[in-house]
Amino acid sequence: TQLLEQSPQFLSIQEGENLTVYCNSSSVFSSLQWYRQEPGEGPVLLVTVVTGGEVKKLKRLTFQFGDARKDSSLHITAAQTGDTGLYLCAGADSNYQLIWGAGTKLIIKP
Amino acid sequence: DTAVSQTPKYLVTQMGNDKSIKCEQNLGHDTMYWYKQDSKKFLKIMFSYNNKELIINETVPNRFSPKSPDKAHLNLHINSLELGDSAVYFCASSQEVWTGIESGNTIYFGEGSWLTVV
Repeated sequence: TQLLEQSPQFLSIQEGENLTVYCNSSSVFSSLQWYRQEPGEGPVLLVTVVTGGEVKKLKRLTFQFGDARKDSSLHITAAQTGDTGLYLCAGADSNYQLIWGAGTKLIIKP
Repeated sequence: DTAVSQTPKYLVTQMGNDKSIKCEQNLGHDTMYWYKQDSKKFLKIMFSYNNKELIINETVPNRFSPKSPDKAHLNLHINSLELGDSAVYFCASSQEVWTGIESGNTIYFGEGSWLTVV
């Protein structure tokens, strides 16, 4: 069974700080997605990365897919309170099924 | 208008009861899904329908039965509810069957239905 492990599970930082969260697996994924889920809502897609080593930027968020396509990171620069939420990564396995991580719960304090 | 809407949002029911969760999408998508998110936040796919046909049926107890009367609706019926069924159930949709490599084929999720079995 393929697993995606996200770390840290929980992160609480002050507004303005930078942070990085990780998504790791021993398996190769054809693509990987990052979602943000706010309390009481469903996940919302942030980005899809497909190529090993790919870097995508979404305003203050930088996503990187590992060269071997087994891991990914999400870096947030100058975090804002609006970044608070649960960040989920999901990888597409060889059967095109989405395998989900358990998420990183991020709290940005004012 | 909400793109993927599901009802009810909250449901508390007793063990042994039968309940349904309804889902509708107004995006014109061909594919709809049901996911279960457990207390540890893991999202697991349960079912996927494409053009009203079942295409994914993960290892889910047969007490769970999806029904798709048309492309815009995918309802989830659960018989003989058990304590372990307590979770958040998300309906989702995408234009085509998700294969993970088309950047335009985004999966859109509903807001979730919180099911508590007591």
